[in-house]
Formats: sequence, structure tokens, C-alpha cells
Amino acid sequence: ETGVTQSPTHLIKTRGQQVTLRCSSQSGHNTVSWYQQALGQGPQFIFQYYREEENGRGNFPPRFSGLQFPNYSSELNVNALELDDSALYLCASSWGTGRATEAFFGQGTRLTVV
Amino acid sequence: GNSVTQMEGPVTLSEEAFLTINCTYTATGYPSLFWYVQYPGEGLQLLLKATKADDKGSNKGFEATYRKETTSFHLEKGSVQVSDSAVYFCALSDLTGGSYIPTFGRGTSLIVHP
Repeated sequence: ETGVTQSPTHLIKTRGQQVTLRCSSQSGHNTVSWYQQALGQGPQFIFQYYREEENGRGNFPPRFSGLQFPNYSSELNVNALELDDSALYLCASSWGTGRATEAFFGQGTRLTVV
Repeated sequence: GNSVTQMEGPVTLSEEAFLTINCTYTATGYPSLFWYVQYPGEGLQLLLKATKADDKGSNKGFEATYRKETTSFHLEKGSVQVSDSAVYFCALSDLTGGSYIPTFGRGTSLIVHP
């Protein structure tokens, strides 16, 4: 059973550029959630995808968008990058979207915007 | 909105000491509560959870009790080991706009000395 994998592990982009981060969910999971974790902070929920549809969104602007594919892998896209977007981006997968669902996290993609 | 407040770290203890990491929350609904742990170089993983008032979650010697009257979910362990050194995140999952949205605390670093 493979866990959650994210790519790339590190990325440097210039302000104003666009970036795509990728996540492969754990085998058997149909739900993917994305988080932003600034240094010294806890993960902040960006959005969740369940069976290829967005199913909940945190307080992030529309330039943060995502996709989930039929194999339940997912992408996070960020347009018009800002310096404050520099953070660790975490992907988590789960089976379902219930109240007590356990999330399984990847190790993250470290994005630096210069 | 919802929020989770954890005690500031780092918490530094000697091996076999008693551990308490405080966590309080505010929520508009009736959330489920979680503790996640992040060991060095690894992704977050679920440590324990509780879904209703007075429930006690437990795992690997760690315990936390869902206290609705004090809106708290403090993490405890009777005798810590060096291998418990990690960052601990308290989190809740609450129904918002038809979806269960997670909210994390900022994390508490635990350092255990031999």
C-alpha cells in the first residue's frame, strides 16, 4: 500500500508566475485535501476534492484552484504568485468526507516565491 | 469562525516525565477533535481522536478527553520517551457550509532529553 506522495519536493518561483503542485492519494482513498503551512504555523485548509468535485473551501482567493482526476490524484494550481505564498503545501487523502475521517498526509512541497 | 489554540512550545522534558499539551477550541457546531503528530522528516499522522463529549482518545500511551464544558482536548502521557520528540497539532473538524472543514492549531514542539 503506497502512501500519499507529492511532487516536486521543493520549488522556487518568481512573483507573478503560476505553479502546479501534484499529489497522488493513498491507495483506496477518494478524497484529497490541500493545506498551506507557513513557517511556525499549523496547516491552513485550502480546499477538498471528493470524487472530482470541490467539496469545501477555506479562506483562500480564487487564484488558488485545484483538480482531482478519475484516479483520485490531484493538482493544486496557484496563479499570480505573491511573496506570501511561500510556504509548505501539504496534501492529505482520506476515504470519504465524514466528521471523524482520518487524513493521511504527504510530506509536502516547499514553495519559495522570490 | 472556528479556531484552535495550543500552548506555545517548545516543551522540554526529561525522559519519563509527565506530559501535558493544552488545547482549547472554539466551534460553531459540534466538532470532532484530533491530535496529529509530525516526527522529524515525516508527514503529519493521526495520533488519536474523539467524536463526542467525554470520549477519550488514546494511542501509544497518549490520551486526550473531549471536554465540551471547557472546550478543551488536552494531550497527556504519563511517561515520555526520547522517541516522542515531535511537533503535535490539535485539530477539529466541523460542519461549515455543508462540508466538514478542518481547523488546525499552530503546533507544539516537544523535545525529550535522555
